[in-house]
Amino acid sequence: QQQVKQSPQSLIVQKGGISIINCAYENTAFDYFPWYQQFPGKGPALLIAIRPDVSEKKEGRFTISFNKSAKQFSLHIMDSQPGDSATYFCAASRGSTLGRLYFGRGTQLTVWP
Amino acid sequence: DADVTQTPRNRITKTGKRIMLECSQTKGHDRMYWYRQDPGLGLRLIYYSFDVKDINKGEISDGYSVSRQAQAKFSLSLESAIPNQTALYFCATSDSSYSSYNEQFFGPGTRLTVL
Repeated sequence: QQQVKQSPQSLIVQKGGISIINCAYENTAFDYFPWYQQFPGKGPALLIAIRPDVSEKKEGRFTISFNKSAKQFSLHIMDSQPGDSATYFCAASRGSTLGRLYFGRGTQLTVWP
Repeated sequence: DADVTQTPRNRITKTGKRIMLECSQTKGHDRMYWYRQDPGLGLRLIYYSFDVKDINKGEISDGYSVSRQAQAKFSLSLESAIPNQTALYFCATSDSSYSSYNEQFFGPGTRLTVL
């Protein structure tokens, strides 16, 4: 059973546009929601993360929006750039004591110049 | 200088062969993980280890085994490789301290092809 569901599987956005990737989860015990970014030929790397005590977190052009009641969270990339072209994974975990991350299936983002 | 290294980076083998993928880290982290990545399926956890004496199965452990030889080393073995184990394999590490909140650091990956 997939713990974290991610959509869309692929996304094409024009340069300067907004990229939006959505994730949903069922386990209300999850309390940490990171996003990982993976460039071709590389391992994933942490991009931004949020805890459920806030509804939004912004770092530069990247924003996580979190809806606890709907059990959904999303990544927004403002002013998308060709350098943002990568695969994005959402994930969830139950804090540091249990530790393991449950990943979504990934979204391949292509930003056209 | 990479903090998480994986060897080999690429491997082609035949059905039935025993294969070992190795992972080493210099980050001093206590937790280590093995994932496989397949197109459209994302990252799936094979095994994880929270310390040298702790080994846990992930969601797809069948056909795989692991060994945590030291805090810095975590090896993944395929006892008898089969073609559907062809995938990209990643090792990752994390620190159990609360402040890290389990950020995982990934190695560069091993591309394994089983013919």
